[in-house]
Amino acid sequence: DGGITQSPKYLFRKEGQNVTLSCEQNLNHDAMYWYRQDPGQGLRLIYYSQIVNDFQKGDIAEGYSVSREKKESFPLTVTSAQKNPTAFYLCASRPGGVGELFFGEGSRLTVL
Amino acid sequence: AQSVSQHNHHVILSEAASLELGCNYSYGGTVNLFWYVQYPGQHLQLLLKYFSGDPLVKGIKGFEAEFIKSKFSFNLRKPSVQWSDTAEYFCAVTENTGGFKTIFGAGTRLFVKA
Repeated sequence: DGGITQSPKYLFRKEGQNVTLSCEQNLNHDAMYWYRQDPGQGLRLIYYSQIVNDFQKGDIAEGYSVSREKKESFPLTVTSAQKNPTAFYLCASRPGGVGELFFGEGSRLTVL
Repeated sequence: AQSVSQHNHHVILSEAASLELGCNYSYGGTVNLFWYVQYPGQHLQLLLKYFSGDPLVKGIKGFEAEFIKSKFSFNLRKPSVQWSDTAEYFCAVTENTGGFKTIFGAGTRLFVKA
C-alpha cells in the first residue's frame, strides 16, 4: 500500500543526544514536510522540501536539521541544541506545490 | 509573517447542535485553504479544501466551509453534529508561491455529548 512511514513510533533519549527520525514515502510525492505537534499549539512547521537536495526552514527550525538526498526520504535530526525536544513529530507529503497533505502516523520523542 | 488563528480551542456540543469553527489567516497573497480532522488515535485526514471558484465548499461527513476573502476567513460548519464528530479540527493555509509553505492553526477540540 502507498503511504508515509515514520519510524520509530516511540523514542526515548537522554538530554544532549542527537536523534534522527525517519520519514519514507512511496507515493512519488515531490514535497515533504516536518511538523511538531504540541497540545494547544497545533502543528508547527519545522522544515519543508519541494524537490531533492533543496529544503527551507519553517517557523521553528532552530535545533533541527534535515536532508533530502532522495525523493522518497526526508529524515529529521533533533539536535542537542533543541531546548524542548519532547514532542510528537509528524511527517507529511504532497504531490506538488498545492493539494492536500498526506500524513504519517507520527513519532513520539521523549527526552529524559 | 503568515499566521492562522482558530478562535475556539475547546467546544462542547450536544448531538444535533449546529457547529461553526472560526479560522482566520494573515497573508496577502493567493492561498489554498484546508480543514483537517484528527479523530482519537488516528492520522490527520483532509475534511475539505478550497482552491478557487465557489467560496462555499463541501467536504466529507456533511461538513462545509465558506471562504470570505475580505475577512481572510475560512470557517467550518456543520448543521447537526454527531457523537462521532468528536475530534480535533485544524485549519491550514498554503501559500501559493515558491516553497508552498503550509501552516496550521492551533486546533479546536470538539467534544459531542451523546
